Amino acid sequence: EVQLVESGGGLVQSGGSLRLSCAASGFTFSTFVMSWVRQAPGKGLEWVSDISHNGAAIYYADSVKGRFTFSRDNSKNTLSLQMNSLRAEDTAVYYCAREDCSGETCHFDYWGQGTLVTVSS
Amino acid sequence: SYGLTQPPSVSVSPGQTASITCSGDQLGDKYPSWYQQKPGQSPVLVIYQDNKRPSGIPERFSGSKSGNTATLTISGTQALDEANYYCQAWDTRTALFGGGTKLTVL
Repeated sequence: EVQLVESGGGLVQSGGSLRLSCAASGFTFSTFVMSWVRQAPGKGLEWVSDISHNGAAIYYADSVKGRFTFSRDNSKNTLSLQMNSLRAEDTAVYYCAREDCSGETCHFDYWGQGTLVTVSS
Repeated sequence: SYGLTQPPSVSVSPGQTASITCSGDQLGDKYPSWYQQKPGQSPVLVIYQDNKRPSGIPERFSGSKSGNTATLTISGTQALDEANYYCQAWDTRTALFGGGTKLTVL
């Protein structure tokens, strides 16, 4: 069974830093692209970043570029999202999600339960 | 910048057919996916690559696309289908989500 378990969320002051983790199990982690998607309270989904299966290619949404760093450890089946210079608008539930890529596109086929990040101003 | 537009809300009576649209420039050249999210839960993939249904998703969920508009159709809508639905597509290595549609079954 595919499982994605996020951790590391919490309350942080504006300008501060936080590191999220996602532990993956139940599939061959090293062969999948992985993503972070966030959801502000009462709002819709917003893609944050994704990382290729070997970590060589990483893409970010403009809203987090230069502040967030996405990495993975295929030996431990874990993802990390280092979030610096946090702003109030970064307040959201952060989900890690697996990307199933076939043909010309990818989709998010499994999601974690999410971890809440609250940035106080 | 590229965006996906969904109606904020759709209402349907139990047993009837619900249609939720998603429009965007050049969506006809992309392969939209659809996600269902119930309150307090994580999103669930219900349709991918325009019209493919993951295993475990009921047959009453279907997807289609015409021009630059994708449509999620739920036939014989049930009360448990009440949720928020999001379309999603890729634009130059960026995943974009529509604003979401709240489906009310009443």
